[in-house]
Amino acid sequence: DVKVTQSSRYLVKRTGEKVFLECVQDMDHENMFWYRQDPGLGLRLIYFSYDVKMKEKGDIPEGYSVSREKKERFSLILESASTNQTSMYLCASSTTRGRPQETQYFGPGTRLLVL
Amino acid sequence: KQEVTQIPAALSVPEGENLVLNCSFTDSAIYNLQWFRQDPGKGLTSLLLIQSSQREQTSGRLNASLDKSSGRSTLYIAASQPGDSATYLCAAPTYPSGTYKYIFGTGTRLKVLA
Repeated sequence: DVKVTQSSRYLVKRTGEKVFLECVQDMDHENMFWYRQDPGLGLRLIYFSYDVKMKEKGDIPEGYSVSREKKERFSLILESASTNQTSMYLCASSTTRGRPQETQYFGPGTRLLVL
Repeated sequence: KQEVTQIPAALSVPEGENLVLNCSFTDSAIYNLQWFRQDPGKGLTSLLLIQSSQREQTSGRLNASLDKSSGRSTLYIAASQPGDSATYLCAAPTYPSGTYKYIFGTGTRLKVLA
């Protein structure tokens, strides 16, 4: 079974802090994604990566950056956390680059509270 | 631009009832459509993936259909159980600039009453 793990289930940070959210998948998937999920807005794509050291902006990249130094690990970075970044963050991975025939596998999510 | 809509936003039914969840998408040139389940505070679990060449997919009590011409997909749940209570999301891929990404609906929150 594919397993996608996220470093924390719950996180509380202060405004202005630099925050790292880590995601690891164990199935050698090329593609990895970071979403945030907010009530009434659904899942919105922040960044995605289809290869090591490659990244592409999603729909709401402002205030975030990402890092993919190894194939299995995709990190989301909040450079200076703000209260409007309080949200549930979901990581996902999938295989078959460029051909979306395969499903996405999701991690359990990280609920981030920025005070 | 692909947009995905799910109606209703919430649904409450008695146990044992058969029910249908709806998903609409604006761009009919989709490669596939997926249905996910999300339990409160958890990640998403894939339920069914329908390829563009298929009309439906079945898994146990779940059946998902796809009608590209009308821009609609439905998830049919037979003989609903309290354990089916969750939020159900559909997602359709879009393919800008050589890589794909998924657009999600906002989900239907289902409650099955014992």
